[in-house]
Amino acid sequence: EAGVVQSPRYKIIEKKQPVAFWCNPISGHNTLYWYLQNLGQGPELLIRYENEEAVDDSQLPKDRFSAERLKGVDSTLKIQPAELGDSAVYLCASSHGGAVPGELFFGEGSRLTVL
Amino acid sequence: QKEVEQDPGPLSVPEGAIVSLNCTYSNSAFQYFMWYRQYSRKGPELLMYTYSSGNKEDGRFTAQVDKSSKYISLFIRDSQPSDSATYLCAMSAVDSSYKLIFGSGTRLLVRP
Repeated sequence: EAGVVQSPRYKIIEKKQPVAFWCNPISGHNTLYWYLQNLGQGPELLIRYENEEAVDDSQLPKDRFSAERLKGVDSTLKIQPAELGDSAVYLCASSHGGAVPGELFFGEGSRLTVL
Repeated sequence: QKEVEQDPGPLSVPEGAIVSLNCTYSNSAFQYFMWYRQYSRKGPELLMYTYSSGNKEDGRFTAQVDKSSKYISLFIRDSQPSDSATYLCAMSAVDSSYKLIFGSGTRLLVRP
């Protein structure tokens, strides 16, 4: 079974440029998460989807961040414009109904460097 | 003050040592307690979980939860160099829709 797939793995951009990250969850997983992980810190939730509905986006900085999961499968996280402080790893995770609460399957992450 | 506190380490031990990793928390509503392992430049992977208080053992790993003290531990017996990673504790509560709150992680290095 394929795991959670994220791309790109690494991205370097100039500040004020836009950037987008893509995530393909494990097949059959209806819940999808985007997390932000700063260096030396644990992941912090940005947004959680149940199928195509964003059920928790309270931590998403909506002035510059947006996300979508149009068909309830793949998801895209966008930052526009990027700031220096956005340099971090963006992790996508998925889980399925009936799983133990908190049993998430993470992708390898997209590492963003903003210059 | 963070909801979940974890010593960042690094913790360096010789191969074969018993490792103790710990987290404290402030929210008494937490019910599910997880330990995730994260290798360098990889995503976290679930190692163990415990519901409410008590112990759980899986091979060389033992997770303990003491809700009265708001303290959780992960013990690794006969540690191996392949155990070298960052260990993240995480916890959730039903009244927050099981939103996972992670600690900052403890970096472990097991020396051959």
